[in-house]
Amino acid sequence: KAGVTQTPRYLIKTRGQQVTLSCSPISGHRSVSWYQQTPGQGLQFLFEYFSETQRNKGNFPGRFSGRQFSNSRSEMNVSTLELGDSALYLCASSLLGDYGYTFGSGTRLTVV
Amino acid sequence: GQQVMQIPQYQHVQEGEDFTTYCNSSTTLSNIQWYKQRPGGHPVFLIQLVKSGEVKKQKRLTFQFGEAKKNSSLHITATQTTDVGTYFCAVVLGAGNNRKLIWGLGTSLAVNP
Repeated sequence: KAGVTQTPRYLIKTRGQQVTLSCSPISGHRSVSWYQQTPGQGLQFLFEYFSETQRNKGNFPGRFSGRQFSNSRSEMNVSTLELGDSALYLCASSLLGDYGYTFGSGTRLTVV
Repeated sequence: GQQVMQIPQYQHVQEGEDFTTYCNSSTTLSNIQWYKQRPGGHPVFLIQLVKSGEVKKQKRLTFQFGEAKKNSSLHITATQTTDVGTYFCAVVLGAGNNRKLIWGLGTSLAVNP
């Protein structure tokens, strides 16, 4: 079966811009979680969506938002980009959100 | 708040040596998951442990869940260069809308050929 697909793979944006990242989970998986990964901070949880509802949220400012569609595909948006937002953004899907998350290859965002 | 402590942060071994990473929590865990992330890659799920004292093996990898379900370890026997990467533990805490997957900071393993 197809894995978790994230697009785009790489992105370069300017400070102040906004960006939208996309994640298509494994077919049948209803839980989609987003993470920010930086060298010094490890994996930081952004939010989790389950059946189109945000089920949980990490400690990120309101500039970070997301949504999930009826087909379980998810998007996350970052507005007013800052240099510190440069990171690898990972999406992970799970059947019910409590076992064996499958990660996508990530989107590497660089803010200049 | 709840934290999952993972040690060591880095480990450098000669090929053929053993390697162990530990994950510790101050509270009792319902389960623990282990992931491996190769350099430039994304985390890949390895295993989940649920039962007290549980030991599971995957070829040269041995995973153990402590009797008190507060700690876990991943042991690699006779490391190979293909074992290079960062090993993360992750635990599910809370329930319902408060459920979160909390990650350790990972142990980065380097293997000298």
